[in-house]
Amino acid sequence: GAGVSQTPSNKVTEKGKYVELRCDPISGHTALYWYRQSLGQGPEFLIYFQGTGAADDSGLPNDRFFAVRPEGSVSTLKIQRTERGDSAVYLCASSLLAGGSYNEQFFGPGTRLTVL
Amino acid sequence: AQTVTQSQPEMSVQEAETVTLSCTYDTSESDYYLFWYKQPPSRQMILVIRQEAYKQQNATENRFSVNFQKAAKSFSLKISDSQLGDAAMYFCAYRSSNTGNQFYFGTGTSLTVIP
Repeated sequence: GAGVSQTPSNKVTEKGKYVELRCDPISGHTALYWYRQSLGQGPEFLIYFQGTGAADDSGLPNDRFFAVRPEGSVSTLKIQRTERGDSAVYLCASSLLAGGSYNEQFFGPGTRLTVL
Repeated sequence: AQTVTQSQPEMSVQEAETVTLSCTYDTSESDYYLFWYKQPPSRQMILVIRQEAYKQQNATENRFSVNFQKAAKSFSLKISDSQLGDAAMYFCAYRSSNTGNQFYFGTGTSLTVIP
């Protein structure tokens, strides 16, 4: 079956512009996660969805970042008024369930965002 | 928040030899999960091995094994019989069993396999 997919693979934008990054999780996975990976760093948690609702958005750096998952499947990460510091790889992951003793997160290939 | 430290930015190993990657973490919790992920140049994170903190036995997956020292908060990864395909970034990650579902990742170790 298909894994987690993310589009676009690469996105170049200008400072101040609005961008949307899309994540298609594995079919049937109820939990979806967004991470941001800056150059030379490990991924950092941004937000986690359980179904359609954001169960934990404590990792979003500020109110320019917003994410939705309206039908409990595809998710979109939205960044307003982009800044050069937003340049990073944005990773999406999904898992069958949330919590519990077994919660393997399957990662997508990421979207590399470059803000000029 | 929990912190995960990988003190080796880069490591190299001769093909067919064994290498150990280090990871330490800081937590006040008693129950949690630890993971090693591999990230090749394709950027896709791949789960290598997982350890539940309540289990004393070290996890093993084929050529990959861990040395989990709970008291020392240490979780090292041993790769035996290294292969060229093992070359990648390796990330150690922590997940609480009680609070939240997100991973806390270390900064990674870049592993080079020398033919």
